Amino acid sequence: AQSVTQPDIHITVSEGASLELRCNYSYGATPYLFWYVQSPGQGLQLLLKYFSGDTLVQGIKGFEAEFKRSQSSFNLRKPSVHWSDAAEYFCAAWSGGSNYKLTFGKGTLLTVNP
Amino acid sequence: GAGVSQSPSNKVTEKGKDVELRCDPISGHTALYWYRQSLGQGLEFLIYFQGNSAPDKSGLPSDRFSAERTGGSVSTLTIQRTQQEDSAVYLCASSSQANTEAFFGQGTRLTVV
Repeated sequence: AQSVTQPDIHITVSEGASLELRCNYSYGATPYLFWYVQSPGQGLQLLLKYFSGDTLVQGIKGFEAEFKRSQSSFNLRKPSVHWSDAAEYFCAAWSGGSNYKLTFGKGTLLTVNP
Repeated sequence: GAGVSQSPSNKVTEKGKDVELRCDPISGHTALYWYRQSLGQGLEFLIYFQGNSAPDKSGLPSDRFSAERTGGSVSTLTIQRTQQEDSAVYLCASSSQANTEAFFGQGTRLTVV
């Protein structure tokens, strides 16, 4: 079955430190991949997406993600975390074609210490 | 409208009552999704509509849950005989044919007491 896995439920980093959130997918073919962020009390906002081409994708708020086919991964990174980045992050995938169903991981909660 | 609109933003209902949650997608978007987000559970897929195709109802947790989409636009999620375990945030999203990015509404927080 198609699935998206975020191995880390909760991550704590210090402000200014680097960040990497992990995402693995299990699909028959490479899906389209997304990262969303949900700040407390807010809806989900798209950070970035990967469809094809360059495997390093730049997004908003200084985030980037790297697609690695050999590892079935799409990890989210940020060189220097800001306190405002504290939120929950969701990885999602879509198989493509006429099926628009998005499958989400269970999310990673990011806490940023001052 | 400019974004996905959901109403009400909050709903408190008594156990056993029926509730209707509404979603107004972005104009022209053919795909519409409903997800449920319970505390610490991530996003649980409920149902999605794609154009005039039959909806994918595979995520509906029980026959108390149903949804419809009238005229390919507004969608209503109905929960009959609500139970306390139905308490959650219900999120709606839409996406276009050409752009697969899903835009989410702010959600409806449902509390069953």
